[in-house]
Amino acid sequence: GESVGLHLPTLSVQEGDNSIINCAYSNSASDYFIWYKQESGKGPQFIIDIRSNMDKRQGQRVTVLLNKTVKHLSLQIAATQPGDSAVYFCAEKDFNKFYFGSGTKLNVKP
Amino acid sequence: KAGVTQTPRYLIKTRGQQVTLSCSPISGHRSVSWYQQTPGQGLQFLFEYFSETQRNKGNFPGRFSGRQFSNSRSEMNVSTLELGDSALYLCASSLAAGMMDTEAFFGQGTRLTVV
Repeated sequence: GESVGLHLPTLSVQEGDNSIINCAYSNSASDYFIWYKQESGKGPQFIIDIRSNMDKRQGQRVTVLLNKTVKHLSLQIAATQPGDSAVYFCAEKDFNKFYFGSGTKLNVKP
Repeated sequence: KAGVTQTPRYLIKTRGQQVTLSCSPISGHRSVSWYQQTPGQGLQFLFEYFSETQRNKGNFPGRFSGRQFSNSRSEMNVSTLELGDSALYLCASSLAAGMMDTEAFFGQGTRLTVV
């Protein structure tokens, strides 16, 4: 399948700061993208999604940006909290199949 | 409502054995997808079932198979286990087939260790 990768395997931020997690995808035909959060010992949890006809979507404290020109996806977390510490990974959908990135670990320092 | 339930949570098997994992989706969800998660490969799509039919399949050998029952519960089977099959197996349920722009809910997974 197509590859989905992450630029940074580990990101450490101070509590209260904003976090930006990046993802590069390779399939220009992908039309739907999701960010997931996975805490230790738990299954992935849906955070936010975006369709390819959009370039930005905002949720509660989170924003996803999609740049189709360079095939780049980012997740911005505002006012990062200790509870945000987890592995985050992006997924792209290409014709009903999802491909996931390997994940970025976010460490929030109190 | 209850979330996605996977059983068992942990499993240890010997090489060459077979294993069956179970997934009960959220009530009302008809689509169940299975994923293998390993540190080296990340999350990889295995297959998806919708209304008892396999709709999509990932790039895994035929030793990996699955099925879905009329109540949407799904099972995944791996035959002739290999050491490399050790992984966290996750299932996700969603309302629509192909997780078509709908939120997918994951279970906590089954941790399979092959020795």
